[in-house]
Amino acid sequence: DIQMTQSPASLSASLEEIVTITCQASQDIGNWLAWYQQKPGKSPQLLIYDATSLADGVPSRFSGSRSGTQYSLKISRLQVEDIGSYYCQQAHSNPPTFGGGTKLELK
Amino acid sequence: EVQLQQSGPEVGRPGSSVKISCKASGYTFTDYVMNWVKQSPGQGLEWIGWIDPEYGSTDYAEKFKKKATLTADTSSSTAYIQLSSLTSEDTATYFCARGPIYNNFFDYWGQGVMVTVSS
Repeated sequence: DIQMTQSPASLSASLEEIVTITCQASQDIGNWLAWYQQKPGKSPQLLIYDATSLADGVPSRFSGSRSGTQYSLKISRLQVEDIGSYYCQQAHSNPPTFGGGTKLELK
Repeated sequence: EVQLQQSGPEVGRPGSSVKISCKASGYTFTDYVMNWVKQSPGQGLEWIGWIDPEYGSTDYAEKFKKKATLTADTSSSTAYIQLSSLTSEDTATYFCARGPIYNNFFDYWGQGVMVTVSS
């Protein structure tokens, strides 16, 4: 199975700050990478698919990028509604696997 | 509007089985696969498997092949997961999540069902 190593595990940031979360794939997955946001007590919501494509209805302050087998999710100006956990997921091959998650809190 | 409405919380005895439903609306049920994802308390996400409702074909993660059975009823646009031989390790929230046939990401999720295994 493809391993997805996500960092940091937790992150504290201020409103309007730029936030970056990264995921390292254990092998080449091309652009087959998705990002999800999960708020406490809720189901995950798709943010980014195909590494850089913004899902419908997702604010433009979210963006995804790729450098080799490292993937990044960037929030350009942190808002209070962005607080929650974030997960990357490789969609290259079965089984789909998730990163361990990043818990984002307000400083 | 795409919606995935899951059934209510379940409590199962060790060794028993539970069956959870996921009713889809707002799209053509057979145009997408339905995935199931497990989230243990305070933990991350784990893919269980998917079903193609049009053909009934399935694929499972290795560790869930003897634990989970996925089915779908196209007449009611409902997908099901049955979890058998329950143990404390099965205590978790289970999500259904729609996926495009051409890709392996999950664009809409159900609200999740908490399964508690307790004697």
